[in-house]
Amino acid sequence: QKEVEQDPGPLSVPEGAIVSLNCTYSNSAFQYFMWYRQYSRKGPELLMYTYSSGNKEDGRFTAQVDKSSKYISLFIRDSQPSDSATYLCAMGRGYNFNKFYFGSGTKLNVKP
Amino acid sequence: NAGVTQTPKFRVLKTGQSMTLLCAQDMNHEYMYWYRQDPGMGLRLIHYSVGEGTTAKGEVPDGYNVSRLKKQNFLLGLESAAPSQTSVYFCASSIPGDTSGNTIYFGEGSWLTVV
Repeated sequence: QKEVEQDPGPLSVPEGAIVSLNCTYSNSAFQYFMWYRQYSRKGPELLMYTYSSGNKEDGRFTAQVDKSSKYISLFIRDSQPSDSATYLCAMGRGYNFNKFYFGSGTKLNVKP
Repeated sequence: NAGVTQTPKFRVLKTGQSMTLLCAQDMNHEYMYWYRQDPGMGLRLIHYSVGEGTTAKGEVPDGYNVSRLKKQNFLLGLESAAPSQTSVYFCASSIPGDTSGNTIYFGEGSWLTVV
């Protein structure tokens, strides 16, 4: 079983839709949760960072962590064509952790 | 604000040739990593380093070597390139820290084709 599972998509939505991206994980020791956005032929860029459980909002983006269910989500409101990219979830554990666990990425296409 | 810089960005190698990918970070991060990204397989850790002069194996280390002679640089070497090493390579860095800073930053990637 993979440490982190993520639906690869592709997910296609019309402009303005609310997008929900999700990851599940198996290791209850994970405490740090991240979402990365990766445009085609570019490196992953950090989008959202959450420590432990709860919600975090940044503009049109909301990250949600449910540690009891081992489930994390990224919501994108009022989606734009510029949001079309692959979204990777990532997580880690401990204070000095030196290994990150990545989902395989969900490809999102926002149609104008 | 350079962040993590990788060179070269593109390279075509013949089977059996050797090469080195260079990574430099200007954020004074302790930890550095080399990943490869292949379709359907996500990011896989090749080698990593937790400080100057130290290196360790990741998930897929075979066929690669690394060195961290200076804190800001992390080199990935292919001694005898094979077609299976055709991939996109990402360097990354991070710093162990508090609840607000413990995350990883990536370079722009190096596209390597072995023919």
